[in-house]
Amino acid sequence: GNSVTQMEGPVTLSEEAFLTINCTYTATGYPSLFWYVQYPGEGLQLLLKATKADDKGSNKGFEATYRKETTSFHLEKGSVQVSDSAVYFCALSPNDYKLSFGAGTTVTVRA
Amino acid sequence: GAVVSQHPSWVICKSGTSVKIECRSLDFQATTMFWYRQFPKQSLMLMATSNEGSKATYEQGVEKDKFLINHASLTLSTLTVTSAHPEDSSFYICSARDLGDIQYFGAGTRLSVL
Repeated sequence: GNSVTQMEGPVTLSEEAFLTINCTYTATGYPSLFWYVQYPGEGLQLLLKATKADDKGSNKGFEATYRKETTSFHLEKGSVQVSDSAVYFCALSPNDYKLSFGAGTTVTVRA
Repeated sequence: GAVVSQHPSWVICKSGTSVKIECRSLDFQATTMFWYRQFPKQSLMLMATSNEGSKATYEQGVEKDKFLINHASLTLSTLTVTSAHPEDSSFYICSARDLGDIQYFGAGTRLSVL
């Protein structure tokens, strides 16, 4: 079956630090990969996505590259801000629009 | 971006009663909506896929008679938790898929069954 494993949190960083959240997946075929972010009190929002191997998704300074050989989709940001404090979810969809989520990683950025 | 409204955001009910949760796409039409359940500090688990005008498709292990889903229009899907019990207490989240195949999520409904 399809599954997503992501780095456990919580993660606490100082402003301007480098952020990496690891995500690996198991799936049949070639799924699309996503990162969603959930800010306090809000619904999940799509942060970025990649639909095929070697694609790089990017948004708001965040990046993730679809690595088929390592079945990974790690999220990175070079310099985080307090406003990046949120819960981040890695997810995959095997073309049937159903999303399988990782457990979520809580990130707190301190000023 | 597109907005999905979920109502209520928090509901407390007595054991044995039924609770209805609404999910509306406010500025787009959604032929498909999804219902998820999230336990504390755990991931979202897909419960069912709701297609406008047809019966919902439930994931394995989800009781269709317990969780009634209706998708009567292109902008509204409802989830009714029937004869709720304390073990049904959870965070329920809906999403709506637009024509570009992006899913937009509601803010969720916290259900507490006493």
